[in-house]
Amino acid sequence: AQSVSQHNHHVILSEAASLELGCNYSYGGTVNLFWYVQYPGQHLQLLLKYFSGDPLVKGIKGFEAEFIKSKFSFNLRKPSVQWSDTAEYFCAVESRGDDKIIFGKGTRLHILP
Amino acid sequence: SAVISQKPSRDICQRGTSLTIQCQVDSQVTMMFWYRQQPGQSLTLIATANQGSEATYESGFVIDKFPISRPNLTFSTLTVSNMSPEDSSIYLCSVSDRLGEKLFFGSGTQLSVL
Repeated sequence: AQSVSQHNHHVILSEAASLELGCNYSYGGTVNLFWYVQYPGQHLQLLLKYFSGDPLVKGIKGFEAEFIKSKFSFNLRKPSVQWSDTAEYFCAVESRGDDKIIFGKGTRLHILP
Repeated sequence: SAVISQKPSRDICQRGTSLTIQCQVDSQVTMMFWYRQQPGQSLTLIATANQGSEATYESGFVIDKFPISRPNLTFSTLTVSNMSPEDSSIYLCSVSDRLGEKLFFGSGTQLSVL
């Protein structure tokens, strides 16, 4: 069965610091990969996704993620974080043709003003 | 994008009772999903609900505990039966867009069982 691991449960950064959140998945087949974000008091929303093509994916609000197939990784990055990036971030994986998305445990990001 | 309305938004229930959560979507969708997010945990898929067929449950979840209805392409319910404090969680309804490329989420139902 597929699974998703997020390495950091809680990350605290100062504004303007660079961010990288780790995500690894276990599944031998072809996958679709996602990062979702949940801002305080709001719904989960899609940040970015990878289906195929360029493994470097750009999402909203300056976020990007790189799919490295050999490492089964899909790490999320942002060169300079803002206080408004304070949220919980979830990595998710969908095996092609399975129609269900499995989530990691989430990383709570706290940005200090 | 799909707009999902979920009711109730929160409830406090007594042990042994049941609660039915409703999920209404503003467009027709083939697949609806029910997730649970326990405190400090990730989202865990409970089941996939397709219209016109029985829901497909994930390992660790059974129909007797979490019966699901899917009477049409815009509506589904999840019942949490014979509740215990361990069922305290946020329950989320979600749907895929037509291309299956994106999950949209409802606002969730925060359930507390005393």
